[in-house]
Amino acid sequence: EVQLVESGGGLIQPGGSLRLSCVASGFTVSNTYMSWFRQAPGKGLEWVSVFYTATTIYYADSVKGRFTISRDDSKNTLYLQMNSLRAEDTAVYYCARGRPNYGDYFLWGQGTLVTVSS
Amino acid sequence: EIVLTQSPGTLSLSPGERATLSCRASQSVSSNDLAWYQQKRGQAPRLLIYGTSNRATGIPDRFGGSGSGTDFTLTISRLEPEDFAVYYCQQYSGSPSRYIFGQGTKLEIK
Repeated sequence: EVQLVESGGGLIQPGGSLRLSCVASGFTVSNTYMSWFRQAPGKGLEWVSVFYTATTIYYADSVKGRFTISRDDSKNTLYLQMNSLRAEDTAVYYCARGRPNYGDYFLWGQGTLVTVSS
Repeated sequence: EIVLTQSPGTLSLSPGERATLSCRASQSVSSNDLAWYQQKRGQAPRLLIYGTSNRATGIPDRFGGSGSGTDFTLTISRLEPEDFAVYYCQQYSGSPSRYIFGQGTKLEIK
């Protein structure tokens, strides 16, 4: 079955760190590009970061310098390392697979909730 | 940076009616780079339309997308009960790469 499964969310204190994982099944992550998105409670969708290749990575301004996206091809997994977490990072985080030559994301995981609170 | 503005914020209609949702970009957007998603409460977004007018796999033909330049539209020809949800338009912007969403339109049962 083609799917994405996120994990690693939880409750973390401000200033803390967390690593999210996104395990892909039914396709090879090295053959595609993927992003992390997030959605704060009651708010809209926000793009966080995209991994095209190991040398072609982009971040939203809101997380630049604090978050790091990476990929382990041997585990068919995408990661998001989140450091210096703030209350405003509280959200459901989704990973998604992008479509070549278009700008859409056609496969999404179920999401993992990150709550930053003391 | 491109801003996407969706209207209306909330649309109240009855099953069987036609829904027209608008997405306006602050500057011209490539037609390949405009997509629409549906999101129900507690669920991940679901891709409906990509490249302005292409239906994603498994999407019923009552969903249609159109537009060009700065004005894009998602049309649902005859609303089914399961269509009441929040809809987002999304655009890809390059140099540097980023993905932008509109603020969403909530489609609610009248």
